[in-house]
Amino acid sequence: ILNVEQSPQSLHVQEGDSTNFTCSFPSSNFYALHWYRWETAKSPEALFVMTLNGDEKKKGRISATLNTKEGYSYLYIKGSQPEDSATYLCASINAGGTSYGKLTFGQGTILTVHP
Amino acid sequence: NAGVTQTPKFQVLKTGQSMTLQCAQDMNHEYMSWYRQDPGMGLRLIHYSVGAGITDQGEVPNGYNVSRSTTEDFPLRLLSAAPSQTSVYFCASRTGAEGETQYFGPGTRLLVL
Repeated sequence: ILNVEQSPQSLHVQEGDSTNFTCSFPSSNFYALHWYRWETAKSPEALFVMTLNGDEKKKGRISATLNTKEGYSYLYIKGSQPEDSATYLCASINAGGTSYGKLTFGQGTILTVHP
Repeated sequence: NAGVTQTPKFQVLKTGQSMTLQCAQDMNHEYMSWYRQDPGMGLRLIHYSVGAGITDQGEVPNGYNVSRSTTEDFPLRLLSAAPSQTSVYFCASRTGAEGETQYFGPGTRLLVL
């Protein structure tokens, strides 16, 4: 079983603050890293899919970086807004053997943005 | 496209009862998966499929069966429900191609008494 770990477990910030959190994943046989945003009582929605070492993605105020050699990804939110409050999940796919094609999720980072 | 659909939305079972959670997608995706969500545990993979006729176990397969007779459908069967199976269940699908994201269904909330 592959371990995907996210930190911190939860985060409280004030509106306007910039914040970031970490996803660490196995670096061996890396295939892809997914980031999802998950609001309470809804389904997870995809933010980014990252595949190359050094890959960077950006969508509005949210961006992500990827380091496949050391097995980590950062998610950044610039100028946090209350509507950014959600759980942010990362998941990795490590190809090869029985793990091929399986998305293994971390436990998530719960972000609360206070007005 | 309806995307990924799940039925029922909510179900109450008694211990020992069996039931099937339905999942369907209309995007011609090869990969389909079932997850359960429990507090503090994130999403844990129950079973997944990489195509019709092919299924494999995830992290927490015990007590669940799946089959994939068509590309569109991926039902999850609870053989003999236990209170430990009280959870929210999500079905998801994706193409399997590099760089393609995964789409989730709306979830089924299951309570086992």
